[in-house]
Amino acid sequence: EVQLVESGGGLVQPGGSLRLSCAASGFTFSSYWMSWVRQAPGKGLEWVANIKQDGSEKYYVDSVKGRFTISRDNAKNSLYLQMNSLRAEDTAVYYCARPVLLGASGYFDYWGQGTLVTVSS
Amino acid sequence: SYELTQPPSVSVSPGQTARITCSGDALPKQYAYWYQQKPGQAPVLVIYKDSERPSGIPERFSGSSSGTTVTLTISGVQAEDEADYYCQSADSSGTYLWVFGGGTKLTVL
Repeated sequence: EVQLVESGGGLVQPGGSLRLSCAASGFTFSSYWMSWVRQAPGKGLEWVANIKQDGSEKYYVDSVKGRFTISRDNAKNSLYLQMNSLRAEDTAVYYCARPVLLGASGYFDYWGQGTLVTVSS
Repeated sequence: SYELTQPPSVSVSPGQTARITCSGDALPKQYAYWYQQKPGQAPVLVIYKDSERPSGIPERFSGSSSGTTVTLTISGVQAEDEADYYCQSADSSGTYLWVFGGGTKLTVL
C-alpha cells in the first residue's frame, strides 16, 4: 500500500524557515518524480514544486522560486521542502504527492494527508 | 503565468447532470486532470488524460475536451458527490510547470 506521510509543519514567524519532510512507503520511491502541493485555508490547490527521480531537475511555481528548495533522499525514501523567507501568504496545508508523468504533464495518483504551516507573528 | 479558469460554483438537484468547465490556452496541447476534494480530506483523482476514469471511480464521472475547454460531467448526481472539484494541467512550454484551476464547489440541492 502506497503511503505518504508529511511532517515538520508548525507555526513560524514571517521571515523564518521551516523544513517539511515526507516519508514514502509501499512503492519504489527512487523510480518516481515527486511533488509538493499546497492549499491555503479555505482556498484552492496550488502546485508548488516537482523533482525528478535522481534530483537532477527541479521546478517551482513562480511565487516560491528563490525561497523554497525541493530535495529528496532516495536511500531514506524521503522527500523534503526547505522553506526560507516565509511570508504570511505561505500559510497552507502542504501535501506531498506522487505524480504520474505524461510527457511534461502529469497527474497525482497518491497524496499524503498534509501538514499545516502557519506563518504569523 | 499560466492559468486555468473554473466557475466558482455549480448547483444541481439529485439525479440531474452536473457539468464543470475548465478553460486554458494550453489545453489543446496538454492533458487535463480532475480531482474531487471533500472537507478535511486530500484530493482524489477522478479523471486523467481528459477523459480516462481511474479504477474505483463511478461510471457517472466522465470527462471531455473541446479546444481550450475541458469539461467534467457527473451524470445522475448523488448527495455524496457534493465536493470541491479542481482541474489540473501543464503550461505549453514543456517544462514541468503545472497548475490547478481555482476550483468549483458542487452543491447538491
